[in-house]
Amino acid sequence: QQQVKQSPQSLIVQKGGISIINCAYENTAFDYFPWYQQFPGKGPALLIAIRPDVSEKKEGRFTISFNKSAKQFSLHIMDSQPGDSATYFCAARRGFSGGYNKLIFGAGTRLAVHP
Amino acid sequence: NAGVMQNPRHLVRRRGQEARLRCSPMKGHSHVYWYRQLPEEGLKFMVYLQKENIIDESGMPKERFSAEFPKEGPSILRIQQVVRGDSAAYFCASSGLTGGASGANVLTFGAGSRLTVL
Repeated sequence: QQQVKQSPQSLIVQKGGISIINCAYENTAFDYFPWYQQFPGKGPALLIAIRPDVSEKKEGRFTISFNKSAKQFSLHIMDSQPGDSATYFCAARRGFSGGYNKLIFGAGTRLAVHP
Repeated sequence: NAGVMQNPRHLVRRRGQEARLRCSPMKGHSHVYWYRQLPEEGLKFMVYLQKENIIDESGMPKERFSAEFPKEGPSILRIQQVVRGDSAAYFCASSGLTGGASGANVLTFGAGSRLTVL
């Protein structure tokens, strides 16, 4: 019940195309769903995040779509660029209380955007 | 704001030696989380600490691993008698106490410490 399942494991997209990464969860106690971007040799960096009372959030070329009834959420990268090539992790947080901010991560998706 | 600082960035140990990884949280953050990332895998939660207290160590191996976050100084993840399977990237993240409802205080990660056990 603590798992977050992420797919695909790897993704190849042509420059200008749309990259779509999907995640699913079981625990309805999760209250916050961030996406992290990680470049080789670096730490994960927060990209965009959504709460379950919102169905969609857009920031520039990045959009999260959230389906609460299906317990699924996805990241869409519009007009994908070679600089977007990185590993993307979805995550879920099981409630925030007194500083408890533990994230459960998906396994990651390695995105390669070809010129 | 220097962000979450981890050192060393790279550490090589022989089997049986000890590894000590340090983490200084972001200024104003008093909550530290350690995650482990095995090659080609995702981040696995290990332990959550507040100053002088271990709050959640459910992801920490029962033997050889320990963590602390003293009143003064950085948080330390200690691995005793390292084995080859301990080779991984260890990430520290920090967050503050407020802003949880809005999600504004989601974890900020350091650049990681990469442990190689020969």
